[in-house]
Amino acid sequence: QQQVRQSPQSLTVWEGETAILNCSYENSAFDYFPWYQQFPGEGPALLISILSVSDKKEDGRFTIFFNKREKKLSLHIADSQPGDSATYFCAASATSSGQKLVFGQGTILKVYL
Amino acid sequence: ETAVFQTPNYHVTQVGNEVSFNCKQTLGHDTMYWYKQDSKKLLKIMFSYNNKQLIVNETVPRRFSPQSSDKAHLNLRIKSVEPEDSAVYLCASSPHWGEFQDTQYFGPGTRLLVL
Repeated sequence: QQQVRQSPQSLTVWEGETAILNCSYENSAFDYFPWYQQFPGEGPALLISILSVSDKKEDGRFTIFFNKREKKLSLHIADSQPGDSATYFCAASATSSGQKLVFGQGTILKVYL
Repeated sequence: ETAVFQTPNYHVTQVGNEVSFNCKQTLGHDTMYWYKQDSKKLLKIMFSYNNKQLIVNETVPRRFSPQSSDKAHLNLRIKSVEPEDSAVYLCASSPHWGEFQDTQYFGPGTRLLVL
């Protein structure tokens, strides 16, 4: 049973457009949601994260929108650049489970010139 | 350089062989993890260690055994590999156990191919 789901599986945008990556979860106990970015041949790296007490988190071109009632969140990448082409993972953890991260299956983003 | 290092990068072996992977972190963290990333890129936690003590052992076949000599090193041994073990094995570390907001830092992974 997949507790964290991501869509779309892959996304292609043109340079300068806003890429929107979606994530949903099932466990109401989840209260911390990091997004990780992974380039081919590398391990994932933390990009941005949000706590369930917030509905928005911004860091430069990256913004997370969070809807606790619907158990959904999205990552918006503004002014997408070719260097943003990577796989993006939504993850979730609950305070009660310490640092056990549950990952979604990832969204492959390709940004074309 | 402070980071998470893994060796080897890539390993090809045959069914039934034993393999070992190494992980070292120079970040001064207390907690280390092994993840398995399958062919569909799905990441799943296998083991969590805190100060070289096993804390979390997910439902993993018994042929997998982690070993930690100190809090900076975490190895993974697989006895008698099977085809479904083909995957990328990622090592990660985080500053403290129990701090759910702590960032996990990942190594580049060891890609295992079982023929």
